[in-house]
Amino acid sequence: DTGVSQNPRHKITKRGQNVTFRCDPISEHNRLYWYRQTLGQGPEFLTYFQNEAQLEKSRLLSDRFSAERPKGSFSTLEIQRTEQGDSAMYLCASSFGENQPQHFGDGTRLSIL
Amino acid sequence: DAKTTQPPSMDCAEGRAANLPCNHSTISGNEYVYWYRQIHSQGPQYIIHGLKNNETNEMASLIITEDRKSSTLILPHATLRDTAVYYCIVRVPEFTSGTYKYIFGTGTRLKVLA
Repeated sequence: DTGVSQNPRHKITKRGQNVTFRCDPISEHNRLYWYRQTLGQGPEFLTYFQNEAQLEKSRLLSDRFSAERPKGSFSTLEIQRTEQGDSAMYLCASSFGENQPQHFGDGTRLSIL
Repeated sequence: DAKTTQPPSMDCAEGRAANLPCNHSTISGNEYVYWYRQIHSQGPQYIIHGLKNNETNEMASLIITEDRKSSTLILPHATLRDTAVYYCIVRVPEFTSGTYKYIFGTGTRLKVLA
């Protein structure tokens, strides 16, 4: 399968712990996006990379969140000092070219105890 | 804020065509309309996109009105596996980075009935 891959699929952690998620985009895609989705809502944009450069960050991305894409391939999203409100599905998407559609992974579901 | 408006839910009989409407009255001339669907516990799945002409692929057809203020996604022969939330998206340009981002609304929950 050459789609967008996200790991882990599920993460359960205690409040205050740090978590890191990984996204492997479709190999030829230079654009990578992170979204967050809460129950009953559509995904909300968090941040965008073109190659290794992080070009856009949403106001939703507080100082506790950091994303990297060190070699322009896979990306990681880290949340420090997790809070109850961080419980959500974190989705990654990738695309190639300005008008081409984004292709999404199946997300990482984060549950904060 | 989402630039699209969709009905919150629809039912469709299995084997019949499902017609999902979307209003995007503020769309500008060079913005594409994208359709995705999301089945529980999975990421959004790309269906189809278009600019001004009607489009068809193996999954669906997209009909865009001449004034481009609305569109309809057509699933020609709905099956139970088409039960999902369907999102109609018009991209929002981000001038600081020169890219576009998707603003999702709450979509239409389509239920295909046996």
